[in-house]
Amino acid sequence: DQQVKQNSPSLSVQEGRISILNCDYTNSMFDYFLWYKKYPAEGPTFLISISSIKDKNEDGRFTVFLNKSAKHLSLHIVPSQPGDSAVYFCAALYNNNDMRFGAGTRLTVKP
Amino acid sequence: NAGVTQTPKFQVLKTGQSMTLQCAQDMNHNSMYWYRQDPGMGLRLIYYSASEGTTDKGEVPNGYNVSRLNKREFSLRLESAAPSQTSVYFCASSYAAGTEAFFGQGTRLTVV
Repeated sequence: DQQVKQNSPSLSVQEGRISILNCDYTNSMFDYFLWYKKYPAEGPTFLISISSIKDKNEDGRFTVFLNKSAKHLSLHIVPSQPGDSAVYFCAALYNNNDMRFGAGTRLTVKP
Repeated sequence: NAGVTQTPKFQVLKTGQSMTLQCAQDMNHNSMYWYRQDPGMGLRLIYYSASEGTTDKGEVPNGYNVSRLNKREFSLRLESAAPSQTSVYFCASSYAAGTEAFFGQGTRLTVV
């Protein structure tokens, strides 16, 4: 039972444009959401997070939006850069230690 | 600053063999975790240790055991490896439960 879903396995955008990565979840008990970025042969690295009491969190080129009623969050990258090409994982925390991950979306930013 | 260090990076086991994956962190984190990553499945939590001296099961604990040796080290043991345990294993740590985790580089394990 996959409680966190990333329905797009891949996304390709042009350099300078906006990348929008989407994530849906089913468990209303999740109260903290995170995005991780992963390059090949490396572990995931933390990118940005948002608490369930907020609907938006911004950090430089990265913004995460949370829609609790729709159980949906999205990561916006503006402007996209070739170095952003990686696999992005959405994760949700329940009961503090139980972090559930989506299957990931491979982003390719073309020069 | 090494962060989270996992050993080995690669391992091939025969079915039924045992092995221990080692993990150490130098960030003085309280919580440590073991995940496995399989194609199309994302990362799944095997076991975690919220603090030194405690361990708890995650989403997929069957076939594994863990030891929180001290605050720095958290090992994962496969007593009798099975082909279904072929995966990439990641160790992670966080300052406290509910905060962002820092991951090691992963161990690619193949069971034949």
